[in-house]
Amino acid sequence: EDKVVQSPLSLVVHEGDTVTLNCSYEVTNFRSLLWYKQEKKAPTFLFMLTSSGIEKKSGRLSSILDKKELFSILNITATQTGDSAVYLCAVDARRAQKLVFGQGTRLTINP
Amino acid sequence: DGGITQSPKYLFRKEGQNVTLSCEQNLNHDAMYWYRQDPGQGLRLIYYSQIVNDFQKGDIAEGYSVSREKKESFPLTVTSAQKNPTAFYLCASSWDTFSGNTIYFGEGSWLTVV
Repeated sequence: EDKVVQSPLSLVVHEGDTVTLNCSYEVTNFRSLLWYKQEKKAPTFLFMLTSSGIEKKSGRLSSILDKKELFSILNITATQTGDSAVYLCAVDARRAQKLVFGQGTRLTINP
Repeated sequence: DGGITQSPKYLFRKEGQNVTLSCEQNLNHDAMYWYRQDPGQGLRLIYYSQIVNDFQKGDIAEGYSVSREKKESFPLTVTSAQKNPTAFYLCASSWDTFSGNTIYFGEGSWLTVV
């Protein structure tokens, strides 16, 4: 059975800190791994990763995939209160024809 | 504007009643999905449809039903058989199953059973 596990489930830090969110997976016929940010309603797309070792960056956010060890990390540097959200990791498995989501990490940034 | 519209945003239901959540998209997408989200859990797939007049059960289909009579519409009925229906429901669509970053989500519907 395809599985995606995120850690930690919850994280509280102070503004300005750097955080690392983890996502490990076990899927058959991996195609891509995706990160989403969900603030209150609809998740919004952050990154799609398909190749190992290639970092994707968007401002203070970056992510990388390790297909050998079957995990990905999402880094956020110089965090701001606006980064507070649930961060979802999902894997697109070719066989499954659907995204498999992890439980999400609830990130809270205190001023 | 193109997008996915879910309604209602908030819904209260008495135990034993069926309720239908609406999902409409004007993106011309073939594939549509329903996810459920509970506190501390990620999105779990209820049903998905790859094309009109066809749909497949997801991981937690029991107590739910769907229809796909039109390309743009994929309503979800939460039946009285669903034991814990209180949750946040998200509808999504994409060109096909699956295009990864081209899945679009609606704003969600909060269902509370009282």
